Amino acid sequence: GGIITQTPKFLIGQEGQKLTLKCQQNFNHDTMYWYRQDSGKGLRLIYYSITENDLQKGDLSEGYDASREKKSSFSLTVTSAQKNEMAVFLCASSMDRGNTGQLYFGEGSKLTVL
Amino acid sequence: SQLAEENLWALSVHEGESVTVNCSYKTSITALQWYRQKSGEGPAQLILIRSNEREKRNGRLRATLDTSSQSSSLSITATRCEDTAVYFCAVYDSGYNKLTFGKGTVLLVSP
Repeated sequence: GGIITQTPKFLIGQEGQKLTLKCQQNFNHDTMYWYRQDSGKGLRLIYYSITENDLQKGDLSEGYDASREKKSSFSLTVTSAQKNEMAVFLCASSMDRGNTGQLYFGEGSKLTVL
Repeated sequence: SQLAEENLWALSVHEGESVTVNCSYKTSITALQWYRQKSGEGPAQLILIRSNEREKRNGRLRATLDTSSQSSSLSITATRCEDTAVYFCAVYDSGYNKLTFGKGTVLLVSP
C-alpha cells in the first residue's frame, strides 16, 4: 500500500499572504490532483498534473499556482490569501487520469485566513 | 450546473437500518465511482461501477447504475455508527479530462 502525505495539516495565514501546501505520494502514481473542499460545495478541482513538470488547470485555478518538480510531489500555492477564507485542500493521486481508476486522497490541509 | 449530483443533502438512520443514497449525472460515462469521507479524513473509494455493469457489491455496500436514466444508487445494509460520513458520487468528464464529484450526502448513523 501507499500513502499520501499533506503538509501542513493546519495553516493559518493573513490576508494577502502567499501560502504553500505540499503533498507527497509513494504510490508511484503518474497523476496528482489538488481539490478544494468548501462546506456544501463538494470537491472542486484546482490543478492536476499527469506527469513530472506537467500542469493542467482545473475549474478553480485562478488565484493558485502549482508545481510538480518530482513525480512523487505536488505543491499548491495560494498566491494571495483572501480575508475570512476557510477551506480544506485535498491532494490526491491516481495511476491514470481517474476516468476508470481510483483516486487516493490525503487527509487534507485546512486553511484559515484571518 | 453539477455534472454529478446526489439527491439529498443529509440522511439520518439508526444503527442496523438500511439506507440508500442516490446520484444523477449529466454526461456519457465509462464508469461511476462512489467515495466516502469520514470526519478529518480524505475521501476513500468504495465502489467503481462500469457503464456495462448494472450492479456491484462490496460487503454491505451495493451500487447500481442505470445509464438510460443516468442515475446510480449506493445502498448500505445493516448500518453501523462508523458508516457516519459524507458519501460522494463521481463521474469522469471526458471533455475536460477530469473526475467530477457531486456535493455529497451527509449520512448520520445513530445508536
